Amino acid sequence: SQQGEEDPQALSIQEGENATMNCSYKTSINNLQWYRQNSGRGLVHLILIRSNEREKHSGRLRVTLDTSKKSSSLLITASRAADTASYFCATDQETSGSRLTFGEGTQLTVNP
Amino acid sequence: GAVVSQHPSRVICKSGTSVKIECRSLDFQATTMFWYRQFPKKSLMLMATSNEGSKATYEQGVEKDKFLINHASLTLSTLTVTSAHPEDSSFYICSARALPAQGRYNEQFFGPGTRLTVL
Repeated sequence: SQQGEEDPQALSIQEGENATMNCSYKTSINNLQWYRQNSGRGLVHLILIRSNEREKHSGRLRVTLDTSKKSSSLLITASRAADTASYFCATDQETSGSRLTFGEGTQLTVNP
Repeated sequence: GAVVSQHPSRVICKSGTSVKIECRSLDFQATTMFWYRQFPKKSLMLMATSNEGSKATYEQGVEKDKFLINHASLTLSTLTVTSAHPEDSSFYICSARALPAQGRYNEQFFGPGTRLTVL
């Protein structure tokens, strides 16, 4: 079964609006991480939230983690056209030896 | 800090040739590096875990004789795609995990990726 399933697969919003992306996973984790990828580029680490944390902020980013529901959400507030990218969640599972399992990603388009 | 480079960024080769991709951690030491493959508009699929000084651990379904990994030092891992075929065309991304003493132990730092096209 696949870890790190995300929804929506694609999201299109206007500049200034908030964007929320969700991630679900199936097994126990050490931490969950969110990454951003611009088209054809490498990944940029956004934020890491540990299994004993419930919420974390970094600038315009807010991440929540609900281990009882095995889900996480990434909120980008006051979006900008430059936020257009693919966003991936990745889980560091307890039994994985710190290997990351990536979700399918959400393609975010912020229209100016 | 925590910069990972990959070389080359783009390579086009003929079918049957071998291609080597380098992954370097520029400002930190990494005992563990990871190699991923990504198809267009898809997620990253872990291919193998590369540990300095030991054999790589391959994920199920990844041919170790096809994708040779060498992690000769704490700052360099290489992936060699042997006898490449068009179906090997993909975006290959490496990541590196810092040593525990360097902090941020759980984070992986990703390289910019290598676009391989096999004609």
